[in-house]
Amino acid sequence: GQQVMQIPQYQHVQEGEDFTTYCNSSTTLSNIQWYKQRPGGHPVFLIQLVKSGEVKKQKRLTFQFGEAKKNSSLHITATQTTDVGTYFCAGESNQFYFGTGTSLTVIP
Amino acid sequence: EPEVTQTPSHQVTQMGQEVILRCVPISNHLYFYWYRQILGQKVEFLVSFYNNEISEKSEIFDDQFSVERPDGSNFTLKIRSTKLEDSAMYFCASSLAGGWGKNIQYFGAGTRLSVL
Repeated sequence: GQQVMQIPQYQHVQEGEDFTTYCNSSTTLSNIQWYKQRPGGHPVFLIQLVKSGEVKKQKRLTFQFGEAKKNSSLHITATQTTDVGTYFCAGESNQFYFGTGTSLTVIP
Repeated sequence: EPEVTQTPSHQVTQMGQEVILRCVPISNHLYFYWYRQILGQKVEFLVSFYNNEISEKSEIFDDQFSVERPDGSNFTLKIRSTKLEDSAMYFCASSLAGGWGKNIQYFGAGTRLSVL
């Protein structure tokens, strides 16, 4: 069945270091969305990528959709303590599949 | 800013009992969703609902689950006979549209279901 995997599962970084999470789907996706879930909170929409090879930026966050539309990445430059949380990709084929998530801890 | 609201925030029930989780989606949204998140795990899709019927459901959404939009504002998830493994956070979400690339989903704060 459809699977959306993310690596790494956990990442601890010093404040100011960069962070990247990778999302891989077993099948081609029509689009991919990224969500952030703070500890104890609910998923909050960050961005959506639709086109093959698309790159979008939000301040320190850079999102990329692979050429084959089967993978995506989220890169955070110079992490801050406010970046703490779990980042989920979510891919759409016939339904919505959330990735396994990457839990980011930022050490001050 | 409009938001999805869910009640109750925490529901405790005995195994075998029926529970109804309630959601009020954003008022002009047309697509509604339920997700489950077992503690420490990923968010799992349960069901999507549009035009008063289920549009997609996952293998998790078996016969013990049902959804309903009883009026113009509420969207409910019923679990008929709860099992211990149903203990999880249940998120409701809604989106304005459901077509390819148009279903940005807004999540409620969730209902934590504890089955004893």
